[in-house]
Amino acid sequence: EIVMTQSPATLSVSPGERATLSCRASQSVSSNLAWYQQKPGQAPRLLIYGASTRATGIPARFSGSGSGTEFTLTISSLQSEDFAVYYCQQYNNWPRAFGQGTKLEIK
Amino acid sequence: QLQLQESGPGLVKPSETLSLTCTVSGGSISSSSYYWGWIRQPPGKGLEWIGSIYYSGSTYYNPSLKSRVTISVDTSKNQFSLKLSSVTAADTAVYYCARHGSGGGYPLPNWFDPWGQGTLVTVSS
Repeated sequence: EIVMTQSPATLSVSPGERATLSCRASQSVSSNLAWYQQKPGQAPRLLIYGASTRATGIPARFSGSGSGTEFTLTISSLQSEDFAVYYCQQYNNWPRAFGQGTKLEIK
Repeated sequence: QLQLQESGPGLVKPSETLSLTCTVSGGSISSSSYYWGWIRQPPGKGLEWIGSIYYSGSTYYNPSLKSRVTISVDTSKNQFSLKLSSVTAADTAVYYCARHGSGGGYPLPNWFDPWGQGTLVTVSS
């Protein structure tokens, strides 16, 4: 079973600045990785799939990179609506697994 | 626009069976390109994939829950359902249903998009 580990648990960043979130897999998942954004009281929303492809309607300030075991989600210039919890999810192996999440908060 | 909506009891007693249904609108659950999945989130915690089903009835389950989980599909109603038996307080969570796959003509259960709004199920006597 693949374990997904996200860091940091909480990230404090000022609006307009860049945020970098990390996700590590316990074994290679190739590029079979997705990122989700979840705001309080809402369902998760797909941001990125294939490690680096933005989902439909996702702003260009969101970008994903990485392959194998190390992945990064970068938000280039934080907007107020970006402060949320972010999850990664691998779909290379069964069972499908999520990371524990990174909370992005306003500094 | 595809929409998913969870429904079912919000309170279940310990040792009983949790039953939820996801109704799909704006598209057919019988699409050959997608699986349909259940994910849960305990209060204040992260996401856990429970299992997924294809319209033909083919299923994948999380081994951590497999002994207690049954997922079924009713194509005539455009619905799929979750049953989780012998529940305890640890099963208290928001339960989400979601489309599981990327389309493209071949059913690859990869990412989840879109999701239902979720329903809170509390296990308590």
